[in-house]
Amino acid sequence: SAVISQKPSRDICQRGTSLTIQCQVDSQVTMMFWYRQQPGQSLTLIATANQGSEATYESGFVIDKFPISRPNLTFSTLTVSNMSPEDSSIYLCSVEVPGTDTQYFGPGTRLTVL
Amino acid sequence: AQSVTQLDSHVSVSEGTPVLLRCNYSSSYSPSLFWYVQHPNKGLQLLLKYTSAATLVKGINGFEAEFKKSETSFHLTKPSAHMSDAAEYFCVVSVFRRGSNYKLTFGKGTLLTVNP
Repeated sequence: SAVISQKPSRDICQRGTSLTIQCQVDSQVTMMFWYRQQPGQSLTLIATANQGSEATYESGFVIDKFPISRPNLTFSTLTVSNMSPEDSSIYLCSVEVPGTDTQYFGPGTRLTVL
Repeated sequence: AQSVTQLDSHVSVSEGTPVLLRCNYSSSYSPSLFWYVQHPNKGLQLLLKYTSAATLVKGINGFEAEFKKSETSFHLTKPSAHMSDAAEYFCVVSVFRRGSNYKLTFGKGTLLTVNP
């Protein structure tokens, strides 16, 4: 299994600001994913990030609000832009085991927007 | 459309007693099914995965799940609960998408409480 780290682990931000979350993997992977887990809820996929191409966003999520970078095979960032209290959630990245539909998850970033 | 339904939002057991977390799925083809666990303030950990090789799947920490196609179920069990099993459990189905590869669809989760 892959070892995945995320920074920051948690943050408290003011509305109207932006936060960039980093996801680092200990091995090269093609597919990385970003999820949101709102308080008391299950996980919802935000977007899929392939190295060397634009991220693919799910319905209800747009690039202007959640821009994603994927500069290489071990790293990705998710930015939460122009934040509001409704963006308070846990944001998790995951990676796909190559050639399978199995994903391993990072520890998550707990975001609180005041 | 593929989906999963976790039948219980909260299950409470005593330490040393069996655990049963129920999950039904809906899929037009043979799906991949997973159980993940999320401990408080932690990320998700893969417990086990079903991929049609065997209907009874053994996972980590003594958990296992049985795939029953006739009942469209994938229930998670453990013979004897431990205090450290207290966590949120998610049943997940892999959904194939045309023009893409797949997407994981999560159930709403079952909170397992273990009483001493």
